[in-house]
Amino acid sequence: GAGVSQSPRYKVAKRGQDVALRCDPISGHVSLFWYQQALGQGPEFLTYFQNEAQLDKSGLPSDRFFAERPEGSVSTLKIQRTQQEDSAVYLCASSPEQRGYIQYFGAGTRLSVL
Amino acid sequence: DAKTTQPPSMDCAEGRAANLPCNHSTISGNEYVYWYRQIHSQGPQYIIHGLKNNETNEMASLIITEDRKSSTLILPHATLRDTAVYYCIVRVDYGGSQGNLIFGKGTKLSVKP
Repeated sequence: GAGVSQSPRYKVAKRGQDVALRCDPISGHVSLFWYQQALGQGPEFLTYFQNEAQLDKSGLPSDRFFAERPEGSVSTLKIQRTQQEDSAVYLCASSPEQRGYIQYFGAGTRLSVL
Repeated sequence: DAKTTQPPSMDCAEGRAANLPCNHSTISGNEYVYWYRQIHSQGPQYIIHGLKNNETNEMASLIITEDRKSSTLILPHATLRDTAVYYCIVRVDYGGSQGNLIFGKGTKLSVKP
């Protein structure tokens, strides 16, 4: 079946621009996670949704980062007034309700802020 | 969640077993050991997990020491496609859909022909 889909795969933004990154989780998966991965590092947690509820946003680095999942399916990560330090790969993962210990990841969106 | 320590890199010959070690000396009794891997330009992929017994699936085997302070992921017959960064993660299994993963830097495994 279809896996987690993220779009766009690559995004180049000028400093100060707003960007929106999309995640289509596996159909029926209740949980959705966003991670940020800097070059040469492991992914770092940003935020977590269970259905449409954002239960944990402790990893969001600043108030310029905002995530939503209004209907409990597709999620969007928005970054306002992008800065160079926001350049990273943004990964989305989803998890089925009964097996939350296995997360299925998308290929990520590589954001480059110039 | 307990901290893990992994070697930064390892090499393995194609067709041989790859044994990837992980130290987690501060692991608690209710924490599981998970392994994920990340192939270049892809997202991480779940491999296997365990609590205290050894585990095996179609991808790999997981050997956990009796004191649970370390573990080894075994890829029995490594192929070039197994070249990836392998992450050892320790976390409590809540049994439901919650719980972010805490990744370290992992071990970069290079399988050579």
